[in-house]
Amino acid sequence: AQSVTQLGSHVSVSEGALVLLRCNYSSSVPPYLFWYVQYPNQGLQLLLKYTSAATLVKGINGFEAEFKKSETSFHLTKPSAHMSDAAEYFCAVLAPSGGYNKLIFGAGTRLAVHP
Amino acid sequence: DVKVTQSSRYLVKRTGEKVFLECVQDMDHENMFWYRQDPGLGLRLIYFSYDVKMKEKGDIPEGYSVSREKKERFSLILESASTNQTSMYLCASTRGGSNQPQHFGDGTRLSIL
Repeated sequence: AQSVTQLGSHVSVSEGALVLLRCNYSSSVPPYLFWYVQYPNQGLQLLLKYTSAATLVKGINGFEAEFKKSETSFHLTKPSAHMSDAAEYFCAVLAPSGGYNKLIFGAGTRLAVHP
Repeated sequence: DVKVTQSSRYLVKRTGEKVFLECVQDMDHENMFWYRQDPGLGLRLIYFSYDVKMKEKGDIPEGYSVSREKKERFSLILESASTNQTSMYLCASTRGGSNQPQHFGDGTRLSIL
């Protein structure tokens, strides 16, 4: 069965520092993977997606993620954190379910950015 | 841009009440979803629908039902609200297809007293 594990429920970085949010998945089929961001009091917004094309995926707001099949990982990075990046981030894998597909989400990682 | 609109941002109800949460999307998407979001648990799928009048149970359907009479509208119903249904509820929609990302509404924070 498909599942997603996000390591670290809270991550804190300084403004300008590297952001690294970790995501590991398990999947019985070639995975489709997503990162979503949730700002306070808002719904989820798609950051980027991996759909078996290039292993390095670029998203919005300067984020990118690298798909590593050997490590079953899809970690999210940003070279330089900005205060506006403070939010909760969710990794998700698309899972087949009775002929349809559904998203399986990780528990989320809350990113804090301090001056 | 896709717009998914949830009818209420905040809602307070009492135990035993019948509660309706409404969701409308404007992009003619085939698939619609209802999730609940709880701290430390991420998003969990309650129900989804892949066509008008069609529905499928998600991972936590107990205590909920849904209705999809029109393609653009997907309603979540709490038949008899209980305090353990206090949560954030998120609606999403997507086109048919194997790898399409889901588009989310802003959520309804529901409190059951």
